[in-house]
Amino acid sequence: SQTIHQWPATLVQPVGSPLSLECTVEGTSNPNLYWYRQAAGRGLQLLFYSVGIGQISSEVPQNLSASRPQDRQFILSSKKLLLSDSGFYLCAWSVGLQTPQETQYFGPGTRLLVL
Amino acid sequence: DAKTTQPNSMESNEEEPVHLPCNHSTISGTDYIHWYRQLPSQGPEYVIHGLTSNVNNRMASLAIAEDRKSSTLILHRATLRDAAVYYCILRDIGNSNSGYALNFGKGTSLLVTP
Repeated sequence: SQTIHQWPATLVQPVGSPLSLECTVEGTSNPNLYWYRQAAGRGLQLLFYSVGIGQISSEVPQNLSASRPQDRQFILSSKKLLLSDSGFYLCAWSVGLQTPQETQYFGPGTRLLVL
Repeated sequence: DAKTTQPNSMESNEEEPVHLPCNHSTISGTDYIHWYRQLPSQGPEYVIHGLTSNVNNRMASLAIAEDRKSSTLILHRATLRDAAVYYCILRDIGNSNSGYALNFGKGTSLLVTP
C-alpha cells in the first residue's frame, strides 16, 4: 500500500531563517506531487506541483521554492522565512494522467510557526 | 472550476445519519463532484466522488440531484470520529491549470455530539 511521510511534524523558526520541509511517498512510482499551505482560519492553497523529477510548477509567487530530486521525494524550501509563511504545510500525491477523477492523498502535514 | 456553496456548520447526534448539502448551480457537464474531509490537525482525506449517478463506498454515500445543481454527502451513522470539515469540490479537465489543484473552499464544519 502507498504511504506518504512528511517531516518535521512541527517547526518553530525565527524570521529570516532558512526552511526545508521534506515529503516522501512509498509504494508507488512516478506520482504527481503537490505542496499546499493552510494559513490559520483559511482554506488550502496550492503552492507547487510536480509531474516528474525536476519538473516543478509554481501556482503562487512567493519566497518559497520546491524541488524534486528523486521520483518520490518533494522538498519545500525558503532562504529567508517571513512571518506570513506560518501555517500548516501539506504534501499530497496522485497517480495517473490528469483527469477530473483524480484523487489526491495527503500527508500528515508540517505545522510551521515563524516568530 | 465551478463554484460550490456549503453551510458553514452543521451538528449531528452520534449514531444518527447526517446529510451534508452542496450547491453547485453552475456545474458543467464534465465536472466531477468530489468530497474530502479534514479532521482536526490532519491533512484532508478523500471521501467519495461522482459524476451523475449516486455513489456508495465504505465511508459514505453521494446523492446527486437529477439536474446536477446540488449534491448531498450522506454519512449513514455519524460517529465522534466523523467530526471534521467537509469540502465539496468540483473538478473538470477544462483547462490544464485547474486540473492540478483541489480548490478547497471553506467547507462545512460538522460537529457530532454524543
